Amino acid sequence: EVQLVESGGGLVQPGGSLRLSCAASGFTFSTCSMNWVRQAPGKGLEWVSSISGNGDYIYYADSVKGRFTIYRDNAKNSLYLQMNSLRADDTAVYYCARDQQVVDLDYWGQGTLVSVSS
Amino acid sequence: DIVMTQTPLSLSVTPGQPASISCKSSQSLLHSDGRTYLYWYLQKPGQSPQLLIYEVSSRFSGVPDRFSGSGSGTDFTLKISRVEAEDVGVYYCMQGIRLKTFGQGTKVEI
Repeated sequence: EVQLVESGGGLVQPGGSLRLSCAASGFTFSTCSMNWVRQAPGKGLEWVSSISGNGDYIYYADSVKGRFTIYRDNAKNSLYLQMNSLRADDTAVYYCARDQQVVDLDYWGQGTLVSVSS
Repeated sequence: DIVMTQTPLSLSVTPGQPASISCKSSQSLLHSDGRTYLYWYLQKPGQSPQLLIYEVSSRFSGVPDRFSGSGSGTDFTLKISRVEAEDVGVYYCMQGIRLKTFGQGTKVEI
């Protein structure tokens, strides 16, 4: 069974940093691209970042480029999102989600809440 | 950037009746590999999104056959043949040909 479990969310002040983690199990992690998708309170879904299976290809939404860094540790079956220079509009539930070959975002985690406030 | 536009933004449905959601993209989603990268997701209340349809019309594992997707190029439709109470939630279309972009979402309620 595919499982994705996010952690690391919390309350942080504007300008602060946070690192999110996503622990994957039930599939061959290194063969799948992975993503972070966020959802601000009461709003829709926004794709944040993607990383290929071997980490060679990385993409970011313009809204986070230069502030967020996605990376992975295939030995630990884990995905990460380092978030720096956080702003109030980064407040959201952050989901990790898998791409399986040509099927995008086929499995999602339960999400972790990031709140940016003073 | 590719913009995804869904209509309607909200839909009140009667159990047993059909429902339909439209999604239009600002650019063609047909890739040179012959695939069209249009997806549909459902986010039930209090839950994470779940994949319903990939590549316009392919149902994901476990998705009931009352859900169907159609369309091509820039115009797509999700249809529910007979709505059930468990189908309430917000439906999103998403393009995957150039990065990923979601539509605004369509809230379906009974």
